[in-house]
Amino acid sequence: DTGVSQDPRHKITKRGQNVTFRCDPISEHNRLYWYRQTLGQGPEFLTYFQNEAQLEKSRLLSDRFSAERPKGSFSTLEIQRTEQGDSAMYLCASQLAGDYEQYFGPGTRLTVT
Amino acid sequence: QKEVEQNSGPLSVPEGAIASLNCTYSDRGSQSFFWYRQYSGKSPELIMSIYSNGDKEDGRFTAQLNKASQYVSLLIRDSQPSDSATYLCAVNDDYKLSFGAGTTVTVRA
Repeated sequence: DTGVSQDPRHKITKRGQNVTFRCDPISEHNRLYWYRQTLGQGPEFLTYFQNEAQLEKSRLLSDRFSAERPKGSFSTLEIQRTEQGDSAMYLCASQLAGDYEQYFGPGTRLTVT
Repeated sequence: QKEVEQNSGPLSVPEGAIASLNCTYSDRGSQSFFWYRQYSGKSPELIMSIYSNGDKEDGRFTAQLNKASQYVSLLIRDSQPSDSATYLCAVNDDYKLSFGAGTTVTVRA
């Protein structure tokens, strides 16, 4: 059973550019979560999916952020017109419906210059 | 998000000692509690989950939950240098998790 995978692991972009991250959950895990973590803080919830349905979005998620999970398998998180404040670790976690534990992928570290 | 508070670190313990980490949470209705370990530059790794009042032991780790006091703790026995990491307390908030800021533990040889 492979774990959660994320791609890319690191991304450096210039302010104003768009970036897209991918997350592949543990197979058969139908819930998928995106979190963001900045230095010295715990992860903050951004959004989550059950199968292909996006069920909740944080108020932290501005309209520059969009997430999809088109076939209920992998998910993408896109940030448009990046800002320096978007620099963070973007974490994906998956969960089997009916369980409580969430398992994190290795994360994508975004640096906006 | 629900508030989760952890005792501020860093916490430095000698090798072989017990490290004690504390966490309080704001929502009395919370039902699920987790401890994650995070090495520098890495992602969080789930090490313990606890759902009922009392103690739960897994190897050198013991989680303790007191819902009446809205308090959850983690004990690391026989601390090893490999335990040096940041420990994150997480509480369920519906399906998502609310995290504390973490406590950094350093085990000195």
